[in-house]
Amino acid sequence: DTAVSQTPKYLVTQMGNDKSIKCEQNLGHDTMYWYKQDSKKFLKIMFSYNNKELIINETVPNRFSPKSPDKAHLNLHINSLELGDSAVYFCASSQDGTRWETQYFGPGTRLLVL
Amino acid sequence: AQSVTQLGSHVSVSEGALVLLRCNYSSSVPPYLFWYVQYPNQGLQLLLKYTSAATLVKGINGFEAEFKKSETSFHLTKPSAHMSDAAEYFCAVTGGNFNKFYFGSGTKLNVKP
Repeated sequence: DTAVSQTPKYLVTQMGNDKSIKCEQNLGHDTMYWYKQDSKKFLKIMFSYNNKELIINETVPNRFSPKSPDKAHLNLHINSLELGDSAVYFCASSQDGTRWETQYFGPGTRLLVL
Repeated sequence: AQSVTQLGSHVSVSEGALVLLRCNYSSSVPPYLFWYVQYPNQGLQLLLKYTSAATLVKGINGFEAEFKKSETSFHLTKPSAHMSDAAEYFCAVTGGNFNKFYFGSGTKLNVKP
């Protein structure tokens, strides 16, 4: 069974559209994350939730809104998509968000905005 | 503040040769350090991590890294490269109150036959 799964794997859409990416983990972890990897492979954290509560909220346009319906799910909704949003988005999870914990990553969602 | 610098965006070695990927960190608190590997079109997989126990850390696939506080380094090594090691490698440090990873810019390892 996949530990951290994301859907869709690929997403091609037009500028101005609204889209969502879903993430689910079956590891029983309390903490989940969203990262953005740009075309130069640079990875940057966007958000983190612990037990459905937002704990990390980086400087990200407010067009990006995370939602955590329960501990096992963290979805990312993006409004009014822009060309610069094209990237690979990774979901990750860890046990309870302490500093020494391993984060387990999903396979990524490759978003292309045309 | 926490940050990581990976020297060399591309490293090329011959199969069987030593692999050395460099990582230097900056941290205002005692660091926890990680190496992750990313194979093409896949997510990141943990290779190893330093959590203030032994300074020489052994990971999966024959990789190891040594934490050197005096040099603020956490370089990744493998004695003998294999073709399957070709991938992108990321060093990361955590800081603050939460498990917030600061990743380096990555090093792409190419293994020549």
